[in-house]
Amino acid sequence: KQEVTQIPAALSVPEGENLVLNCSFTDSAIYNLQWFRQDPGKGLTSLLLIQSSQREQTSGRLNASLDKSSGRSTLYIAASQPGDSATYLCAVRPKETSGSRLTFGEGTQLTVNP
Amino acid sequence: DGGITQSPKYLFRKEGQNVTLSCEQNLNHDAMYWYRQDPGQGLRLIYYSQIVNDFQKGDIAEGYSVSREKKESFPLTVTSAQKNPTAFYLCASSNLPGQGATEAFFGQGTRLTVV
Repeated sequence: KQEVTQIPAALSVPEGENLVLNCSFTDSAIYNLQWFRQDPGKGLTSLLLIQSSQREQTSGRLNASLDKSSGRSTLYIAASQPGDSATYLCAVRPKETSGSRLTFGEGTQLTVNP
Repeated sequence: DGGITQSPKYLFRKEGQNVTLSCEQNLNHDAMYWYRQDPGQGLRLIYYSQIVNDFQKGDIAEGYSVSREKKESFPLTVTSAQKNPTAFYLCASSNLPGQGATEAFFGQGTRLTVV
């Protein structure tokens, strides 16, 4: 059974700092990995999707990398801002025939202090 | 605007009552999902559907039921058999592998409280 772990569970940084969030998964037979952001009391907003054949994806100040063989992904946030404060979740989609189930980590709660 | 709409945003349930949470999408996605989120925890899969008139149990299906009569709609019923239903419920949709980009999109959630 696929298990997804995110470390750290919480992170507090001063504004302007570059930071890395980690996501690890136990089964490397994945179709893709997706990073989400969740604000308190809200739904999830998709940030980046990395296919299993890709090594990284970039969107603005965000860069996500994928090392499928070691079961790891990182989300790099450059020049953090208070508006980046949220919970960040990663999810993996399996490579099985249906490929429909998504398994989530428990998230990293990020606080960026002004 | 394309997206996923969940309603209501807040829902209160009395003991022994069944309630139904609505989820509608206009993204033409085949797959739809229901997740439950408890405070400080990750998302747990309740049910998912890959095609109309078909659905599969997730990890915590007991006390819940779903239907998929239309591609656009995937309502979730929380039955009286669910002993601890107070939680935040999230609906999502995506394409399936081989049908285009499989990015998953989420609704804004329904917060269910037992009173």
